Amino acid sequence: DAGITQSPRYKITETGRQVTLMCHQTWSHSYMFWYRQDLGHGLRLIYYSAAADITDKGEVPDGYVVSRSKTENFPLTLESATRSQTSVYFCATTPTISQPQHFGDGTRLSIL
Amino acid sequence: KQEVTQIPAALSVPEGENLVLNCSFTDSAIYNLQWFRQDPGKGLTSLLLIQSSQREQTSGRLNASLDKSSGRSTLYIAASQPGDSATYLCAVSMDSNYQLIWGAGTKLIIKP
Repeated sequence: DAGITQSPRYKITETGRQVTLMCHQTWSHSYMFWYRQDLGHGLRLIYYSAAADITDKGEVPDGYVVSRSKTENFPLTLESATRSQTSVYFCATTPTISQPQHFGDGTRLSIL
Repeated sequence: KQEVTQIPAALSVPEGENLVLNCSFTDSAIYNLQWFRQDPGKGLTSLLLIQSSQREQTSGRLNASLDKSSGRSTLYIAASQPGDSATYLCAVSMDSNYQLIWGAGTKLIIKP
């Protein structure tokens, strides 16, 4: 089916481990975003990308790395996971800033 | 710095009632405003997007209004149904910036 897919849906890992969250879209939208959602903070932007090979920091980028070698994929890597990165992570896409963002179902990440 | 506020944080109403959800923002120089709904354990679904030059948008039983000068938007839901139960979030984008600034959401419960 066309759309946006995040994987895995759930992940448990330990502090210090590297973990990569995947985001794949079939629309060929130019813009892709990574958010985290935490109680008390709402949604916060981690990184975004305007096109392949173009990425930029959002509000809370520390501890995260992104890449976008292909338009359809936008992986988010936690290089050395910390407990404070326990959260629900959402990927979103949009063709332009004038159109709505479309969200994946999220990845619930727990870091022990 | 733009701040987005949604009041109330939670709302419970009987089925069939018309209701209004509120969103306020501190900086009127927005590019657009979006309303989303989020179901438990799911991603966000875009409901309505209002460009800064527009006053309202309608989709089915939903109507969103925008008053930039007063920094307010409302989401009107007509003839509410139990299936409307969800968390409703508003978000604004600023001119020439792809980042969305989010409210904390209003959790809506429609009682059968």
